Amino acid sequence: QKEVEQNSGPLSVPEGAIASLNCTYSDRGSQSFFWYRQYSGKSPELIMSIYSNGDKEDGRFTAQLNKASQYVSLLIRDSQPSDSATYLCAVNDMRFGAGTRLTVKP
Amino acid sequence: DTGVSQNPRHKITKRGQNVTFRCDPISEHNRLYWYRQTLGQGPEFLTYFQNEAQLEKSRLLSDRFSAERPKGSFSTLEIQRTEQGDSAMYLCASSLAGGDDELFFGSGTQLSVL
Repeated sequence: QKEVEQNSGPLSVPEGAIASLNCTYSDRGSQSFFWYRQYSGKSPELIMSIYSNGDKEDGRFTAQLNKASQYVSLLIRDSQPSDSATYLCAVNDMRFGAGTRLTVKP
Repeated sequence: DTGVSQNPRHKITKRGQNVTFRCDPISEHNRLYWYRQTLGQGPEFLTYFQNEAQLEKSRLLSDRFSAERPKGSFSTLEIQRTEQGDSAMYLCASSLAGGDDELFFGSGTQLSVL
């Protein structure tokens, strides 16, 4: 079992829609969870971090964490074409999922 | 400070040759990570340092791979007897222990083994 698993996608949503990205992890003791965005040909950059169960909102982005279900998600509201990228889930700052490629169509 | 710096940006080598990459982290960051990334995959953890101590190394990492961080500043990643399967983007990242754990990535070194 992979340590961090993500829906491989690709995920395509129309502009203005909500994009939902999901991630599960295997280490029940994990404490830190991160979402990174990686544009094609670029390095990953941090979008959000979350440490406690529940929701955390930052602008159009909402991270959701459920430690009992070992599940973390990222919602992107009012999706824009500029959000088109690969979204990487990371756990405990070291282990990354394979990423989900998101395309937002104008 | 302009961020994490990696050199070279590109490296083409023949199978069987040794290669070495360098990473200069953000100056006040005491943690340094090496990852390998292939097309369509997420970054694969290779190893991590806190200051000059190598605290973890991936179990999947071949003994042809070695990393150092002398004096807790820059780091080097060496691959001996390269194989075609080593072709990938090698990413370095740094962070500040005790901070919010955000990783700052360099631009990477693209290795092509012919």
